[in-house]
Amino acid sequence: DQQVKQNSPSLSVQEGRISILNCDYTNSMFDYFLWYKKYPAEGPTFLISISSIKDKNEDGRFTVFLNKSAKHLSLHIVPSQPGDSAVYFCAASLPNFGNEKLTFGTGTRLTIIP
Amino acid sequence: DTAVSQTPKYLVTQMGNDKSIKCEQNLGHDTMYWYKQDSKKFLKIMFSYNNKELIINETVPNRFSPKSPDKAHLNLHINSLELGDSAVYFCASSLQGQGNSPLHFGNGTRLTVT
Repeated sequence: DQQVKQNSPSLSVQEGRISILNCDYTNSMFDYFLWYKKYPAEGPTFLISISSIKDKNEDGRFTVFLNKSAKHLSLHIVPSQPGDSAVYFCAASLPNFGNEKLTFGTGTRLTIIP
Repeated sequence: DTAVSQTPKYLVTQMGNDKSIKCEQNLGHDTMYWYKQDSKKFLKIMFSYNNKELIINETVPNRFSPKSPDKAHLNLHINSLELGDSAVYFCASSLQGQGNSPLHFGNGTRLTVT
């Protein structure tokens, strides 16, 4: 049962434009959401997170939007840079678990075209 | 300095063998994890330990035995390896009780069972 889904396995965006990565979840009990970025041969690194009490969180070029009614979140990167080329994983956690038990999506490979 | 380091990076072995993967973190974190990324790219939690005590075991076969000699180390021993154990195994750490302190991942160990 895949509770966190990233339906786009890949995405290509021109440098300087906006990249939008999407994530859907099925478990309405999830209360915290994270995005991780992964380069080849490296482990995932934390990028940005959002609590279910918010609908937007911004950190520099990265903004995460949460739509609880649609069980959907998205990551916006603007402007996109070549160094943003990586696999992006969406993750979610349940109350009282925090980071102890994250449920990950299968990732979206983002390629920034110079 | 590598924050979460795991060895070996690659491990090729035959079915039925026993192998270990080591993990160490120098971040002063009190919680450590093992995640498995299978061929379908699902990244799933296997175990989490807090201050050397097991707190999560996600229905992993008992052929997998984690060992935490101290809170900076969490090793994974696998007995009687099977073809389906082939995957990338990621160690991670975080600070429990620090809100949703993000996970810091190691670079992964690619295990291939032939």
